[in-house]
Amino acid sequence: QVQLVQSGSELKKPGASVKVSCKASGYTFTSYAMNWVRQAPGQGLEWMGWINTNTGNPTYAQGFTGRFVFSLDTSVSTAYLQISSLKAEDTAVYYCARDPYARAARPFDPWGQGTLVTVSS
Amino acid sequence: DIQMTQSPSSLSASVGDRVTITCQASQDISNYLNWYQQKPGKAPKLLIYDASNLETGVPSRFSGSGSGTDFTFTISSLQPEDIATYYCQQYDNLRWTFGQGTKVEIK
Repeated sequence: QVQLVQSGSELKKPGASVKVSCKASGYTFTSYAMNWVRQAPGQGLEWMGWINTNTGNPTYAQGFTGRFVFSLDTSVSTAYLQISSLKAEDTAVYYCARDPYARAARPFDPWGQGTLVTVSS
Repeated sequence: DIQMTQSPSSLSASVGDRVTITCQASQDISNYLNWYQQKPGKAPKLLIYDASNLETGVPSRFSGSGSGTDFTFTISSLQPEDIATYYCQQYDNLRWTFGQGTKVEIK
């Protein structure tokens, strides 16, 4: 079945970096785009951006430029989110989510299970 | 960027009640609107895509309607397992925005 499996929870100190992985299975990886979504504790969903799995070209939402980097390893059907210079306010659950290039409203389905990143000294 | 205004932020209803949530876009988005359900501690799940299409396997008590700037999500008969937060999501020009979410509770 189609699924996205993310890496486990991370505890990092301020100023450190973290790399979250999202491994896809059950479909052709390059046939769908990959999005990243942040959910801070007790808050709503915030779209961070997406990466074209054919070209590797990333698009970042406002507020997610500079310290956030999306990347791919198509040989293992995996997308990555790297966050550098971590701050306490980066503490959140990060989700990857697949979207179909060709569908009108490009809905996100499925989603990974989420990765909790905690930034604390 | 397009803004989405979702209301109410929370609601309490009885089992069997009809529940309605609205989302308003800051500009015309045609039918590029999706709805998700998120249960506590879980990832969101797609329920409705393209404003009114029910995702495969989703119970028929869930429905969506609207186009342009005004959209509605309805649960025709609220069930205990529907306790969750619901989000609308718009898509426009390679960018997405979520509504603020509606927390649905049982009265």
